[in-house]
Amino acid sequence: AQSVTQLGSHVSVSEGALVLLRCNYSSSVPPYLFWYVQYPNQGLQLLLKYTTGATLVKGINGFEAEFKKSETSFHLTKPSAHMSDAAEYFCAASPAGGTSYGKLTFGQGTILTVHP
Amino acid sequence: DSGVTQTPKHLITATGQRVTLRCSPRSGDLSVYWYQQSLDQGLQFLIQYYNGEERAKGNILERFSAQQFPDLHSELNLSSLELGDSALYFCASSVARGGGVSGGYTFGSGTRLTVV
Repeated sequence: AQSVTQLGSHVSVSEGALVLLRCNYSSSVPPYLFWYVQYPNQGLQLLLKYTTGATLVKGINGFEAEFKKSETSFHLTKPSAHMSDAAEYFCAASPAGGTSYGKLTFGQGTILTVHP
Repeated sequence: DSGVTQTPKHLITATGQRVTLRCSPRSGDLSVYWYQQSLDQGLQFLIQYYNGEERAKGNILERFSAQQFPDLHSELNLSSLELGDSALYFCASSVARGGGVSGGYTFGSGTRLTVV
């Protein structure tokens, strides 16, 4: 069964510092990978996705993530944190085919706090 | 506004009761997904419909059921409610043909269900 692990349920950074949120997946074949952000009392918003092709993907709000098959990782980064980045971030994976095609498996989430 | 509409936004009901949550997908999206988000379980996939047919099933209790209507809106029915069913229920939709999710989901803002 597919699983997604986010290392660190809480990450705290200073404004202007690098943001690094870690995600590892467990799957027999490389899945589709996603990062979502959830602001309080809102739904999840897609930040970026990896399906095929270039392993470094750029998303909205200056975020990017790199798919590393050898490490089964899809870590999310942003060079310089902004106060508005404070939110909860979810990594998710979906099979690229098969009977579970379309089902997203989410990690437990990482709450990002940004200090002035 | 993501284009995915969920009603009601909030619902408070007593144990043993039955409720119906409604979701209208984004225009043109054929797939609808239901997720449950709780503090202890995180985001759990419940069920997926594609163009009116059930496509995938996740951790959905037998007390819960769903359907997708010809106009593509979907309803999630929760019956014999228990305190533990209190959660945020999200609906998401995707445009990918075949029910896949390569483009990612678009989430609604959720229905917060409180069972007292």
